[in-house]
Amino acid sequence: KQEVTQIPAALSVPEGENLVLNCSFTDSAIYNLQWFRQDPGKGLTSLLLIQSSQREQTSGRLNASLDKSSGRSTLYIAASQPGDSATYLCAVRGGSEKLVFGKGMKLTVNP
Amino acid sequence: GAVVSQHPSWVICKSGTSVKIECRSLDFQATTMFWYRQFPKQSLMLMATSNEGSKATYEQGVEKDKFLINHASLTLSTLTVTSAHPEDSSFYICSARDATGGQPQHFGDGTRLSIL
Repeated sequence: KQEVTQIPAALSVPEGENLVLNCSFTDSAIYNLQWFRQDPGKGLTSLLLIQSSQREQTSGRLNASLDKSSGRSTLYIAASQPGDSATYLCAVRGGSEKLVFGKGMKLTVNP
Repeated sequence: GAVVSQHPSWVICKSGTSVKIECRSLDFQATTMFWYRQFPKQSLMLMATSNEGSKATYEQGVEKDKFLINHASLTLSTLTVTSAHPEDSSFYICSARDATGGQPQHFGDGTRLSIL
């Protein structure tokens, strides 16, 4: 059974720092991995999708990497801003359509 | 980008009431939609996979008679929580995948359900 872990559960940093968010998964047989952002009381916004054959994806200040063999992904946020404050979730998709989510990491960026 | 609309965003009702939640893909066709539930400070848990024109596939432990899912068209799926009780209070989120395949799932804004 696939399990996705995100540690730490929360992180508070001053504005401007470069951040690394970690995600690990137990079954390396994945189809893709997706990083999401969730604001309080809201749904999910897809940030980056990495196919199993890819090593990384970039969008603006965000860069996500995938090491399938070791069961790890990182989301790198450059020059963090208060507007980046949210909960970040990673999810992996196996052979079926199903996404398995981690519990998320609550990020607070202080001005 | 792809948009998924979920309605209503917030429902408060008495115990025993049935509540219907709608999930629409606004600018793409979705042969498959997914329904998740999220408890406070917990991750999203998949409840069921909804396929257009066929019966939904429920995850283990999810009561199909309690959570009725209908996916009558390529742009609409509904979740009805029947005879809701306080323990059904949660945040329900739907997602949809473009029928052309290979695309990420797009999520609605969720429905906060509170049963008194």
